[in-house]
Amino acid sequence: AQKITQTQPGMFVQEKEAVTLDCTYDTSDQSYGLFWYKQPSSGEMIFLIYQGSYDEQNATEGRYSLNFQKARKSANLVISASQLGDSAMYFCAMREAWGASGSARQLTFGSGTQLTVLP
Amino acid sequence: DGGITQSPKYLFRKEGQNVTLSCEQNLNHDAMYWYRQDPGQGLRLIYYSQIVNDFQKGDIAEGYSVSREKKESFPLTVTSAQKNPTAFYLCASSTSAGTDTQYFGPGTRLTVL
Repeated sequence: AQKITQTQPGMFVQEKEAVTLDCTYDTSDQSYGLFWYKQPSSGEMIFLIYQGSYDEQNATEGRYSLNFQKARKSANLVISASQLGDSAMYFCAMREAWGASGSARQLTFGSGTQLTVLP
Repeated sequence: DGGITQSPKYLFRKEGQNVTLSCEQNLNHDAMYWYRQDPGQGLRLIYYSQIVNDFQKGDIAEGYSVSREKKESFPLTVTSAQKNPTAFYLCASSTSAGTDTQYFGPGTRLTVL
């Protein structure tokens, strides 16, 4: 079974509007971390935001916020006031067994969502 | 400036040749990783290293080899045994504490001719 599922291969949003990118995950661990990365056409992966499974509040970083619904196992990324420079591929990733002895600290990535911001 | 550098940016290889991709970081991170990305897909882990002189296979290690002789460096060799090496390769590093966020280099695009 897929551990990270991003069901939206492509999304369009009007400039200055907000957009939500979906991410659901599957794990039996109690302790895990969720990450969102942005990949522009240049290819570099840019870290955006992190949510720990025990964090009680949703993470926010500037225009990025993470809508974390633990019971539903979802960690959707919300981008407010979209800009043309936000056009990129966005990946959700999960790290399980955080801090556990022998943890590999591996990230499991979803297949990504291509976001296009329209002027 | 602290960061991760990868070289070269583009690499062309003939079938049957081994090729080594460079990854260097000056972030003083303990852990380093190599990922492979195929068109339209997410990243898959090839190898990772949590400390110097130690590394473990990831999900798709066959046909690849690594070394970790220095904390700053984690080169990846794509051997002739790798059946389909044309891909985009990304190196990352992280601390071993806190959120353990992985930070990535700019990547190397390998094409086998």
